[in-house]
Amino acid sequence: EDKVVQSPLSLVVHEGDTVTLNCSYEVTNFRSLLWYKQEKKAPTFLFMLTSSGIEKKSGRLSSILDKKELFSILNITATQTGDSAVYLCAVSTGTASKLTFGTGTRLQVTL
Amino acid sequence: DAGVIQSPRHEVTEMGQEVTLRCKPISGHDYLFWYRQTMMRGLELLIYFNNNVPIDDSGMPEDRFSAKMPNASFSTLKIQPSEPRDSAVYFCASSRDRVIQYFGPGTRLTVL
Repeated sequence: EDKVVQSPLSLVVHEGDTVTLNCSYEVTNFRSLLWYKQEKKAPTFLFMLTSSGIEKKSGRLSSILDKKELFSILNITATQTGDSAVYLCAVSTGTASKLTFGTGTRLQVTL
Repeated sequence: DAGVIQSPRHEVTEMGQEVTLRCKPISGHDYLFWYRQTMMRGLELLIYFNNNVPIDDSGMPEDRFSAKMPNASFSTLKIQPSEPRDSAVYFCASSRDRVIQYFGPGTRLTVL
């Protein structure tokens, strides 16, 4: 059974801090790894990673994939209260279009 | 461009009643997915369609759940009869490239 594990489950940081969120996976026939941000409503797409060692960057957010060690990290620098959300990691496998999601990391950024 | 549209946004019903959730995918997206999210189990894929055809329904919990996609712009997820353990947020998502999925706002279902 495909498995995606995220850590930590939750964390609280002060505005301006840098955080690193972790995602490890054990899946059959890996295709890509995706990060989503979920505030009060629907998950919104952040990044898709398919190749090891190539950093994806969007503003203060960045992510990288290690296909040898089977994990990805999501970094957020200079955090703001608007970054407070649940961050979901998902893995796409095989020829199917299914995504297997982790349970998420709940990030709270305080003033 | 409108995103994925779901209705209703909230549904409260009594055990044993039939519930129908609706979804309109983003125009031009050939893939449609139904997910369920709970605190205990996170986000779980129930079923997905490609070009209106169900491809994988292995995540559908049991025969009480059914889904249809009569055309490219509409899908329904039906629960009959509903049970309290079906209480969750149900998301619909659509995709053009099979992988990057765009989620609707969800339907929060409460079964009393």
